[in-house]
This record gives sequence, C-alpha cells and structure tokens, in this order.
Amino acid sequence: GAVVSQHPSWVICKSGTSVKIECRSLDFQATTMFWYRQFPKQSLMLMATSNEGSKATYEQGVEKDKFLINHASLTLSTLTVTSAHPEDSSFYICSARTGDYEQYFGPGTRLTVT
Amino acid sequence: GQNIDQPTEMTATEGAIVQINCTYQTSGFNGLFWYQQHAGEAPTFLSYNVLDGLEEKGRFSSFLSRSKGYSYLLLKELQMKDSASYLCAVIDSNYQLIWGAGTKLIIKP
Repeated sequence: GAVVSQHPSWVICKSGTSVKIECRSLDFQATTMFWYRQFPKQSLMLMATSNEGSKATYEQGVEKDKFLINHASLTLSTLTVTSAHPEDSSFYICSARTGDYEQYFGPGTRLTVT
Repeated sequence: GQNIDQPTEMTATEGAIVQINCTYQTSGFNGLFWYQQHAGEAPTFLSYNVLDGLEEKGRFSSFLSRSKGYSYLLLKELQMKDSASYLCAVIDSNYQLIWGAGTKLIIKP
C-alpha cells in the first residue's frame, strides 16, 4: 500500500513554455502533499507544502507565480512550471502524507528545458 | 535554527559493515527517518525511529538517542547495490520534515 505516482516520468520542453506535473496517491488519501526539487548531486529541497482545498505554502525563495500548485483533491496535486527556463531543469519529486508523519514519495519527474 | 548533520561521503568494501551517523538540532522531535536514494530516483523509506534504541530490519539497523540528538544507520554485509545516498530526516514539533544533505555511500569490490 501507500503508493504515489507521478506523471510524466520525464519531460523535455522548450524555454518559455509551461509544464504540468501530476502527483497522485493511488491507494490512500493524502492530507498533505509536498513538492521537492533536486539538482544533481544535491539534497532534496522542499519547494512547497499543499493541503487539499487550500493554497500551498511556499518555501522562502520559491516563486509562487512561477510554480503553480493545485491540490484539487485528497489524491491529486499538480505542479505547473510556468514560462520554464533552462535553469528550471531539475528532478521534481512529490510526496504525500497521511496521518502525522510518514511521507511516501513518488518516483520523480525529470524536467529538461531546452 | 534547525540543523541536521551527516557526512557528505563514505566509502566501504563489499561484504563489510558501515555506520552512517546523523546528528540533529531541531525545534521539537517527533521521529527520525532514514531514506535511501539511488542516483536519478526518488527516495525510498528505510526506517523510522521515535524511541531510543536500535531497530533492526534485515541487513539494515537504525539507532536513536534522543538525549544526544543522534542517530546512525548501520548497513551489514554490504552489497554493490547499496551504493546510494542515505538521507536522514527529522520531524519537528510542527510535524515538518527537516532533511539532512545526505551521505553518498560508495561500495568498492
């Protein structure tokens, strides 16, 4: 149990376009979902925390207008990278939490902006 | 501020034992996780400790001392596939997960 999926697994887009990444909890309801970004050889960086039906809480330094997060239901959160630039190329990982503590990670989405 | 320290990189030999340490200073404590992350993949759960002591799970064991703000992950009978980054993360009083930078473990034949 406790499976989290992400779609797509990888995406290549042109600079200036927008990309949407979906995160789904497949067999449980996630009270909270988290979006992380990870650059090569670096640790996970929390971008934002989202609760179903409310606005996401963004970490300092993360542009909320650039990284749009929608947590529409207890099983789905989306991250849209708007007007993507090459420096946005990274590994984006979501995780979902049910209960107080344990987080279940999705497999990640590798974004390459050309 | 909140801080989690773990070594950046460690090297060990196949078949041996390695201990990866993690020390933390956080506002409150509601448990500590260890995750394994292979290059290019998302982290996978290894262990969760909330009480002092040693939790053993196959070749992997995790230890916690809350009074010392200290944990370690012990890997026995190392295999080449254990080459990965190992992430220590602490849940603070607000139930937020605070991440360490990870320890890259290199296994040599």
